[in-house]
Amino acid sequence: NAGVTQTPKFQVLKTGQSMTLQCAQDMNHNSMYWYRQDPGMGLRLIYYSASEGTTDKGEVPNGYNVSRLNKREFSLRLESAAPSQTSVYFCAIRGQSYEQYFGPGTRLTVT
Amino acid sequence: DAKTTQPNSMESNEEEPVHLPCNHSTISGTDYIHWYRQLPSQGPEYVIHGLTSNVNNRMASLAIAEDRKSSTLILHRATLRDAAVYYCILRRDTGRRALTFGSGTRLQVQP
Repeated sequence: NAGVTQTPKFQVLKTGQSMTLQCAQDMNHNSMYWYRQDPGMGLRLIYYSASEGTTDKGEVPNGYNVSRLNKREFSLRLESAAPSQTSVYFCAIRGQSYEQYFGPGTRLTVT
Repeated sequence: DAKTTQPNSMESNEEEPVHLPCNHSTISGTDYIHWYRQLPSQGPEYVIHGLTSNVNNRMASLAIAEDRKSSTLILHRATLRDAAVYYCILRRDTGRRALTFGSGTRLQVQP
């Protein structure tokens, strides 16, 4: 997971609270992604950013907003957390051969 | 998007080769075959990818059938550290080039 960092590692929220998940890369790549992984399942794409200032919805964007203010950082915001958003969130960057490098994840529980 | 089919689980013995199969009968000509693995409590890790020809790297080999409707990930000598969920993913070579994860194959390695 070198090159992609995520904060926080763990978070517990109450329903209705808001928070921002942070992702940063030091590999100077343009494309960044946010995925979520529910227990026992594969990852699903929430949002994608092809470059600084551009974002695009993925498969499951409802309840989330994103921000890509610079090349290095891509943040995911939950405005009003719901129990259905309990999940592990992974940020990823896309390499030159279209392979993806993932961060260590943020484990979020909404009660 | 084209779908992949993998066995839910496989077992191997340490230091023996492992062949992980993947069927993708509806693959299109522009789909790359990617393999990722996910160790417990970690983010997915890129393993290998290919289009038509067999590929080798330091982690594994990828054998692609001539009609591209199936592929096999080969771990030459399994170690305990190779115990993980292995995902076979088809990545379309257009658009956002995101990854669509299925449920993967859980590989257990016995000492």
